[in-house]
Amino acid sequence: NAGVTQTPKFQVLKTGQSMTLQCAQDMNHEYMSWYRQDPGMGLRLIHYSVGAGITDQGEVPNGYNVSRSTTEDFPLRLLSAAPSQTSVYFCASSYRAYSGNTIYFGEGSWLTVV
Amino acid sequence: AQTVTQSQPEMSVQEAETVTLSCTYDTSESDYYLFWYKQPPSRQMILVIRQEAYKQQNATENRFSVNFQKAAKSFSLKISDSQLGDAAMYFCAYRSADSGGGADGLTFGKGTHLIIQP
Repeated sequence: NAGVTQTPKFQVLKTGQSMTLQCAQDMNHEYMSWYRQDPGMGLRLIHYSVGAGITDQGEVPNGYNVSRSTTEDFPLRLLSAAPSQTSVYFCASSYRAYSGNTIYFGEGSWLTVV
Repeated sequence: AQTVTQSQPEMSVQEAETVTLSCTYDTSESDYYLFWYKQPPSRQMILVIRQEAYKQQNATENRFSVNFQKAAKSFSLKISDSQLGDAAMYFCAYRSADSGGGADGLTFGKGTHLIIQP
């Protein structure tokens, strides 16, 4: 059972560099999303998607870009990394949007921007 | 926008005892879902229990149960017979059921660090 798979698990970036965090799910889930978790905080929603070709902004979208070309994949792009983007990033998915369906999380990606 | 507040940054309980973690939320919606997630040191997010707002009956999952007070906008988690493996951060979260409202996703509280004393 793969569930939600995120890569890479750890990454160090220099300020100004760009990178993509990959996320894939094999559960045929309609809904996918990205969160970030900073020290002393709960997770905060960055972007989400309710289906292929449909994306929208969450609470903290600035500096990030997403696309959803397939049901399975939902990559998160950092356009020009800043130290403020140092965080742990979680990808998550659920069967339906706006539902009580279980939201499954990936194992997290630790990103450090120096 | 919805907010979720966990007023206890840290709680400690003796093994085999019962502990209650508090959560309050603010919303103008009538239909929504509430969750408790557990995050051990590995950082994996694990669903503990969920509650549908339209259900009056409190959810129960083995040793975990909730006290859902919709009018008071309160959603506390009770852990009975605490075990060493229960030690973790616990997050309360809210999800809207209204597709015509704002963004779809979980709104989290800041978490409660639960310590189990052997």
